[in-house]
Amino acid sequence: QKEVEQDPGPLSVPEGAIVSLNCTYSNSAFQYFMWYRQYSRKGPELLMYTYSSGNKEDGRFTAQVDKSSKYISLFIRDSQPSDSATYLCAMSMYGGATNKLIFGTGTLLAVQP
Amino acid sequence: DGGITQSPKYLFRKEGQNVTLSCEQNLNHDAMYWYRQDPGQGLRLIYYSQIVNDFQKGDIAEGYSVSREKKESFPLTVTSAQKNPTAFYLCASSIVIGRASYNEQFFGPGTRLTVL
Repeated sequence: QKEVEQDPGPLSVPEGAIVSLNCTYSNSAFQYFMWYRQYSRKGPELLMYTYSSGNKEDGRFTAQVDKSSKYISLFIRDSQPSDSATYLCAMSMYGGATNKLIFGTGTLLAVQP
Repeated sequence: DGGITQSPKYLFRKEGQNVTLSCEQNLNHDAMYWYRQDPGQGLRLIYYSQIVNDFQKGDIAEGYSVSREKKESFPLTVTSAQKNPTAFYLCASSIVIGRASYNEQFFGPGTRLTVL
């Protein structure tokens, strides 16, 4: 069993839809939870970072963490064609110098105009 | 502009050859990382370095080597011992502020290596 599971998609939605992206994990020692966006043939860029259970909102994006269920989600409201990318969840047990990230496989999202 | 540069963008290698991928950052970050990305497997950590002249193996270090002679540079050599080197290679860097703090990793644009 992988430490982090993520549905690879592809997920296709119409412009303006609400998108829900999800990851589950098995290691309860994970403390830091991140969502990265990766455009085709580019490096990932950090979208959201959360530490505690609950919701964190940034514009059209909301990150949700449920540590009791070992489940994290990223919601995108009013999705735009420019949101079309691969979304990677990532987790870390430690901060500081040993900040090793464990990534999900990524979900490919296509927002149709 | 501050950032991470990787070169070359595309690299082709014959079997049995060693190749070196370049990674340079001008963000004044202490920590640097190398990841490999394959379809359906996400990113996997190859090596990381917290400080100059020191580095640690990641989860898939076999067949790879690194050096960290300068803070700004963290080149990765893919040796002939790496059995399946065709992949997208990503370099990242981060600051280091205490063990209890999450430090964002900034990624370069990547190098796509193909073995012919």
